[in-house]
Amino acid sequence: DAGITQSPRHKVTETGTPVTLRCHQTENHRYMYWYRQDPGHGLRLIHYSYGVKDTDKGEVSDGYSVSRSKTEDFLLTLESATSSQTSVYFCAIGTGNTIYFGEGSWLTVV
Amino acid sequence: QKEVEQDPGPLSVPEGAIVSLNCTYSNSAFQYFMWYRQYSRKGPELLMYTYSSGNKEDGRFTAQVDKSSKYISLFIRDSQPSDSATYLCAMSLEFGNEKLTFGTGTRLTIIP
Repeated sequence: DAGITQSPRHKVTETGTPVTLRCHQTENHRYMYWYRQDPGHGLRLIHYSYGVKDTDKGEVSDGYSVSRSKTEDFLLTLESATSSQTSVYFCAIGTGNTIYFGEGSWLTVV
Repeated sequence: QKEVEQDPGPLSVPEGAIVSLNCTYSNSAFQYFMWYRQYSRKGPELLMYTYSSGNKEDGRFTAQVDKSSKYISLFIRDSQPSDSATYLCAMSLEFGNEKLTFGTGTRLTIIP
């Protein structure tokens, strides 16, 4: 158990509504990541953070924003959800030479 | 062309068989190579981590890297039904883990 909690675990939302996914870690690691996983594409990095208020874009950042106001929390926001953002979202923490993933958040945009 | 190619399978083998899972990549600058196992509706978990070319063994698992061919493999000996999962290869350019590049995963089923 890497001490990562994602919430909500499952959500159905309507197109155009804002959605925020939360990642909480208990182990004070500096690096945190948000990935999405889709069939045929595998895991793709959305955004990552290397400290409080320090974030950067990943491979598929369009339509997503993130915030990290505390070491333990990393929030992923879809400002206006679209059907193409239906996916499984994984938060991860970096420990230096390994990445630990959370259990995932299943998001359906209808 | 994707940077990392992985046969999606599915791959089914009888219990006790040796399993070979493979990835090829195009970026010769990749230096760190990882294998993750992902059970259905769970997050990926790190299985093996190797640096540069060579072999690394951990119990029934052996990771092999051939940088000259841009090819990595994961071998599972004495496969068990509990090994049934999706296996993801991943690689990075430098120490530390930001911006890992993942393969799409191979779904493996071990038949009792």
